[in-house]
Amino acid sequence: GAVVSQHPSWVICKSGTSVKIECRSLDFQATTMFWYRQFPKQSLMLMATSNEGSKATYEQGVEKDKFLINHASLTLSTLTVTSAHPEDSSFYICSALQGALEQYFGPGTRLTVT
Amino acid sequence: QKEVEQDPGPLSVPEGAIVSLNCTYSNSAFQYFMWYRQYSRKGPELLMYTYSSGNKEDGRFTAQVDKSSKYISLFIRDSQPSDSATYLCAMPIIQGAQKLVFGQGTRLTINP
Repeated sequence: GAVVSQHPSWVICKSGTSVKIECRSLDFQATTMFWYRQFPKQSLMLMATSNEGSKATYEQGVEKDKFLINHASLTLSTLTVTSAHPEDSSFYICSALQGALEQYFGPGTRLTVT
Repeated sequence: QKEVEQDPGPLSVPEGAIVSLNCTYSNSAFQYFMWYRQYSRKGPELLMYTYSSGNKEDGRFTAQVDKSSKYISLFIRDSQPSDSATYLCAMPIIQGAQKLVFGQGTRLTINP
């Protein structure tokens, strides 16, 4: 199956700083990638759709200036959490679309803001 | 009403039992039906997906779709402790960005 990686897997940062999370499709090219957020014992919440070479599309209620997404190549999308606060602590997961239908997910990044 | 409804459980069964996981949906436009498995603190893993009504089998897993009832199921035969995970049904919105609409996920525990 297709493989998607994320880096880092776990990050702790201080309140007010920014954190960048990378999402890479390792064995396929992905024009479209997605960023999700997941709270404990809850399902995935889509934050934004990332398209290579164009601006990301954010879901309603997601602050685009706080969660910066860059899809610079067909294998890499990045999510930067700017001026992080403790309420931004969560599990962030990316996925990459292979073909027209199959989404493959990364292993997730646990962000803790102190 | 949510577009996709899934009983969150938790569901606990003994090893070797047949497990039935179910979702209902309200949007008739959904054409594909996916099942993901998510282990704790990991990303979801695509198990299988189906298009038409009927059954699709892959090893110990069988996905079943009843479009007339808007009801989908995932059956796990000869369940193993390693099957303990959260199972999420998902349906893609084909138009535009192919976003997935997820069920809440069912937490499953297989007891040795």
